[in-house]
Amino acid sequence: EAAVTQSPRNKVAVTGGKVTLSCNQTNNHNNMYWYRQDTGHGLRLIHYSYGAGSTEKGDIPDGYKASRPSQENFSLILELATPSQTSVYFCASGGTGGAERLFFGHGTKLSVL
Amino acid sequence: AQSVTQPDARVTVSEGASLQLRCKYSYSATPYLFWYVQYPRQGLQMLLKYYSGDPVVQGVNGFEAEFSKSDSSFHLRKASVHWSDSAVYFCAVSANSAGNKLTFGIGTRVLVRP
Repeated sequence: EAAVTQSPRNKVAVTGGKVTLSCNQTNNHNNMYWYRQDTGHGLRLIHYSYGAGSTEKGDIPDGYKASRPSQENFSLILELATPSQTSVYFCASGGTGGAERLFFGHGTKLSVL
Repeated sequence: AQSVTQPDARVTVSEGASLQLRCKYSYSATPYLFWYVQYPRQGLQMLLKYYSGDPVVQGVNGFEAEFSKSDSSFHLRKASVHWSDSAVYFCAVSANSAGNKLTFGIGTRVLVRP
């Protein structure tokens, strides 16, 4: 079974601090995604990547950066965290074929105080 | 841009009863359509997907969904639910050629009463 691992599982950060959320996949998938999940909004796409070295802006990229240093790893970076970024963040990976299913990690619960 | 509407935020059903979850999408051409399920404290898992062909698609755990182009809908159904089907269900649409940049609905929380 495909595996996507996120770390940390829970994070408490202070306003203005830097936060890095990490994601590792062992599926050898080219595509990786970062979503945030909020009540009333479902999942919204922040950044995604088509392969090592590439990052693309999703639907809500403001306040976030992404980094894809390798096929396996995809990080989400909050340079100056704000309370509005308190959310649950999900990483996912997927293949490049049409209508490929996404494999999700268990999520990272981030609280910015 | 594509969008997805799930009009029911919460649905409560009795064990053994049938279930239908509604999903309406907005996109000018034929999209890729998905249903995902999220069990408590877990990530999302795909139940089924549709792109072309038979408008009724079968998924895992007895779920099926029916695509209607005229109605712009992709409703999810299950004939007889089990308590373990309690979860949040998300409809999703992708409009790019690779079918892998998804827009999700807000989700429908399903509670199955024993």
